Amino acid sequence: EVQLVESGGGLVQPGGSLRLSCAASGITLSRYWMHWVRQVPGKGLVWVSRINIDGSSTMYADAVKGRFTISRDNAKNTLYLQMNSLRVEDTAVYYCTSMTTLHDYWGQGTLVTVSS
Amino acid sequence: EVVMTQSPLSLPVTLGQPASISCRSSQSLVYSDGNTYLNWFQQRPGQSPRRLVYQVSNRDSGVPDRFSGSGSGTDFTLKISRVEAEDVGIYYCMQATHWPLTFGGGTKVEIK
Repeated sequence: EVQLVESGGGLVQPGGSLRLSCAASGITLSRYWMHWVRQVPGKGLVWVSRINIDGSSTMYADAVKGRFTISRDNAKNTLYLQMNSLRVEDTAVYYCTSMTTLHDYWGQGTLVTVSS
Repeated sequence: EVVMTQSPLSLPVTLGQPASISCRSSQSLVYSDGNTYLNWFQQRPGQSPRRLVYQVSNRDSGVPDRFSGSGSGTDFTLKISRVEAEDVGIYYCMQATHWPLTFGGGTKVEIK
């Protein structure tokens, strides 16, 4: 069974940092481009970032560019999202997903709350 | 960025009846390789999203054949031939032709 399990979410003050992880099992993550997508509770889906297979190419939404860094450790079968200078508007559930590849996998999401 | 506009916002449907969701993009989604990267996702209440259709009309593995996607250029449609109770949720279109990737605002399908 394929599983993507996100972790690392939680409550953080504005200006703070968090590192999200997405651990994969049942699949070899290194075969897939991977993305982070976020969703404010009760609202729609927003693409955040993507990384290619070997990590040599990354892209970001303008809203997070310069503050978030996507990375991967294929040896650990894990995807990451380093989030710095967090803002109240970054509050959302963050999903890791392979959605643009032949196989579409999603994690259960991890909630990030930015509040003082 | 490419703006994806879905309609309707809400779609009450009688069980067993068809349903149709429209998605329009602010620019053509035909990529330089000739493919059109328009996907449809379903998000059931309390669950993560799940892709139903990729590249306009290709159903993902395990997706019932009552779901079908069509369209071209800037106009796309997701149809459910006979709505079942398990189809309740929010449906999103998403374009993967242009960066950044963008989603439609969602269409909520509910049972009358």
